[in-house]
Amino acid sequence: QSALTQPASVSGSPGQSITISCTGTSSDVGAYNYVYWYQQYPGKAPKLMIYDVSNRPSGVSNRFSGSKSGNTASLTISGLQAEDEADYYCSSYSSRSTPVFGTGTKVTVL
Amino acid sequence: EVQLVESGGALVQPGESLRLSCSASGFTFSSHWMHWVRQAPGKGLVWVSRIKSDGSSTTYADSVKGRFTISRDNAKNTLYLQMNSLRAEDTALYYCVREVTIAGIGMDYWGQGTQLTVSS
Repeated sequence: QSALTQPASVSGSPGQSITISCTGTSSDVGAYNYVYWYQQYPGKAPKLMIYDVSNRPSGVSNRFSGSKSGNTASLTISGLQAEDEADYYCSSYSSRSTPVFGTGTKVTVL
Repeated sequence: EVQLVESGGALVQPGESLRLSCSASGFTFSSHWMHWVRQAPGKGLVWVSRIKSDGSSTTYADSVKGRFTISRDNAKNTLYLQMNSLRAEDTALYYCVREVTIAGIGMDYWGQGTQLTVSS
């Protein structure tokens, strides 16, 4: 199972919006509305930010939003803040009934 | 409060075996599918294995199939990962992860991880 493809890094200035893409195949991202996004700070465990493509768990800022088109999912962070600087991973359910993670994106706040 | 506490990580030599444990508390352990996810130093997240809430079904990543065995003891609220024939490429921080109860395969709670280093 190949990892989903994410850009290695994305950056933006405070207040701006950024979008992180997550490209899979018709066997994972394109086949199911089970796409997830996780935020990970250095030395910390990942945290679920988006589930089922576009839903936010309780407590997650509404500045985070998710979407999907075909085999590509996206995470948008609006009103970028310094605290958003972290690594972000997408994940999807796959046709093998297993999850597959993305390659990860480092978000830098300029 | 949901807590997942991993233990058992160590420095081992190639070819050796090790068992990781994950003690769960703060939720009904027997109601949740559970996962092990690993992260090599400076690398991304990699899914390792998944087990059904009652332990009756398990799945593995191709890279560990035949070498690793996931299991659970719902009476003890504990998840395990038995790792045999360890390789250098198994070196990673191993996370114990809870799966959400809704449809899908989201992971809503993660432990802090236990470190496995395989080196001669």
